[in-house]
Amino acid sequence: AQKITQTQPGMFVQEKEAVTLDCTYDTSDQSYGLFWYKQPSSGEMIFLIYQGSYDEQNATEGRYSLNFQKARKSANLVISASQLGDSAMYFCAMREIQAGTALIFGKGTTLSVSS
Amino acid sequence: GAVVSQHPSRVICKSGTSVKIECRSLDFQATTMFWYRQFPKQSLMLMATSNEGSKATYEQGVEKDKFLINHASLTLSTLTVTSAHPEDSSFYICSARQTGSGIYNEQFFGPGTRLTVL
Repeated sequence: AQKITQTQPGMFVQEKEAVTLDCTYDTSDQSYGLFWYKQPSSGEMIFLIYQGSYDEQNATEGRYSLNFQKARKSANLVISASQLGDSAMYFCAMREIQAGTALIFGKGTTLSVSS
Repeated sequence: GAVVSQHPSRVICKSGTSVKIECRSLDFQATTMFWYRQFPKQSLMLMATSNEGSKATYEQGVEKDKFLINHASLTLSTLTVTSAHPEDSSFYICSARQTGSGIYNEQFFGPGTRLTVL
């Protein structure tokens, strides 16, 4: 069974600093996708970044990058140059590449950015 | 990107009543839709997976007779919370997968429905 672990309930960072949100995963499947979502207080799920299990390069999307270490089964999210608007809940999620399987989420990390 | 809507966005009901939540994919066809429940400051927990035209598959611990899911068309899935009780108060989020798409960014989320049962 797949499993996602986020060990940081809360993280605090100052504006313009970088922050790393940790995520480890467990799966017996060789083909899977790893995702990060941002959930502000409004509740909407905002997709940030994706990494496929066979992707050799770490994914990047603007200020977001995913530090993918397959052997360690970790997929940490790095946010560079934090902004006040980055304050939100962040979820790591995984999906095994089979028809019909849903995204399974970690417990989330609350990020607070201060000025 | 693809848009998923949910209605209502917020509902307050009395204990014992039933509440229906609609999830629509507005600009794409969704073979599969997923329903999640989220309690305050907690993760999204998968409740069930529904495929158009067939019965939903419920996760362990989710009462299928209490949470009725109907995926009648490729653009609409409904979740009915029957005989709601205060412990059913939660944030319900639907998600839709685009027909024929690959792994990347293919599961689109609705804005969620906040249910409060008095």
